[in-house]
Amino acid sequence: DAKTTQPTSMDCAEGRAANLPCNHSTISGNEYVYWYRQIHSQGPQYIIHGLKNNETNEMASLIITEDRKSSTLILPHATLRDTAVYYCIVRVGASYDKVIFGPGTSLSVIP
Amino acid sequence: DADVTQTPRNRITKTGKRIMLECSQTKGHDRMYWYRQDPGLGLRLIYYSFDVKDINKGEISDGYSVSRQAQAKFSLSLESAIPNQTALYFCATSDYRVRLAGAYNEQFFGPGTRLTVL
Repeated sequence: DAKTTQPTSMDCAEGRAANLPCNHSTISGNEYVYWYRQIHSQGPQYIIHGLKNNETNEMASLIITEDRKSSTLILPHATLRDTAVYYCIVRVGASYDKVIFGPGTSLSVIP
Repeated sequence: DADVTQTPRNRITKTGKRIMLECSQTKGHDRMYWYRQDPGLGLRLIYYSFDVKDINKGEISDGYSVSRQAQAKFSLSLESAIPNQTALYFCATSDYRVRLAGAYNEQFFGPGTRLTVL
């Protein structure tokens, strides 16, 4: 699985968009980008995933660059409940099931 | 009711004791996992199982063993607990899905077990 690099921490004002970057320069053609988040000491929660097209769901949007070497998770209107650690993970779709989590980005949403 | 449950939620034990952490799921998924989390290290995979007859080691399996008693149950054992196994332990499940964005699997995590080994 490709390695990812994320900033250690970020702040975002409540109500503003939170943009969380992830670099995955060694990503392979058959690897997907997944995002999970973990609110303090709770189990991680799946947010979104994508291969090469931008994706949007009820929680967030995922923007993947054309060369697929980086991506951005966007929380359009951050709330205090979005304060969490966000994990960017790159791996082959479903054939490799095990998920390797890195340290992630600690997002603090500030009132 | 929660889809993935873990028992106990908290446990304090002494070095050398045998400990079992249990995980049950009602999602009907074939695939189950055990992770541990330490501050600043993210989650690390201990063991995973693709079905009842399949057990695989993860990144850090030394000192641990697992048992897949049924599709819905996956237990993690520490045969002789040591202090550096103090951590937050998560169980997870997943299934195989195919959608327009391609095949993927979403993992569902339990609430975690906080284990302290003195």
